[in-house]
Amino acid sequence: QQQVKQSPQSLIVQKGGISIINCAYENTAFDYFPWYQQFPGKGPALLIAIRPDVSEKKEGRFTISFNKSAKQFSLHIMDSQPGDSATYFCAAIYLRTGGGNKLTFGTGTQLKVEL
Amino acid sequence: DGGITQSPKYLFRKEGQNVTLSCEQNLNHDAMYWYRQDPGQGLRLIYYSQIVNDFQKGDIAEGYSVSREKKESFPLTVTSAQKNPTAFYLCASSGRLRSNEQFFGPGTRLTVL
Repeated sequence: QQQVKQSPQSLIVQKGGISIINCAYENTAFDYFPWYQQFPGKGPALLIAIRPDVSEKKEGRFTISFNKSAKQFSLHIMDSQPGDSATYFCAAIYLRTGGGNKLTFGTGTQLKVEL
Repeated sequence: DGGITQSPKYLFRKEGQNVTLSCEQNLNHDAMYWYRQDPGQGLRLIYYSQIVNDFQKGDIAEGYSVSREKKESFPLTVTSAQKNPTAFYLCASSGRLRSNEQFFGPGTRLTVL
């Protein structure tokens, strides 16, 4: 049972363009939605995250848009650069006291930014 | 230089052998996790530990075992009972104050021949 669905599986964008990756979740108990960036042969790194009480969060060229009623959230990469070429994972988590919070990941989007 | 280390980076084993993957962190984090990554399936949780001497099964624990004898260390053993062990294994940790942020190690790629 996949609780976080991610699309597209792969994406090719021209340099300077906008990359958009979409995710949808099922469990309304989720209350924190991070995005991870992973380069080949490396571990994922936290890129940006959002809580469901806000509709948008922006950090530099990266923006998360969140639609609580639709249970969807998306990552927008503005002015995409070749260095952004990586695999991106959305995730969801419900926070509990004491730590040990379990992340549920989407299946990943392989982004390639072409010159 | 704080972080999570995993060793070795590449590991080859014959079918039927148990193998142990190392994960060490010096971030003073309480919680540690093991994930398995397969192409097209994202990351799936194998085991996690919130505190020393305690751990819980994740979504795909069958064929794996862990121990948490020290706060800094969370080794994962892939047993011969794991039907398809070839994968990229990732260890992560999170602290008590910012428990929603998990930091990942560089991973170990296990190939069973």
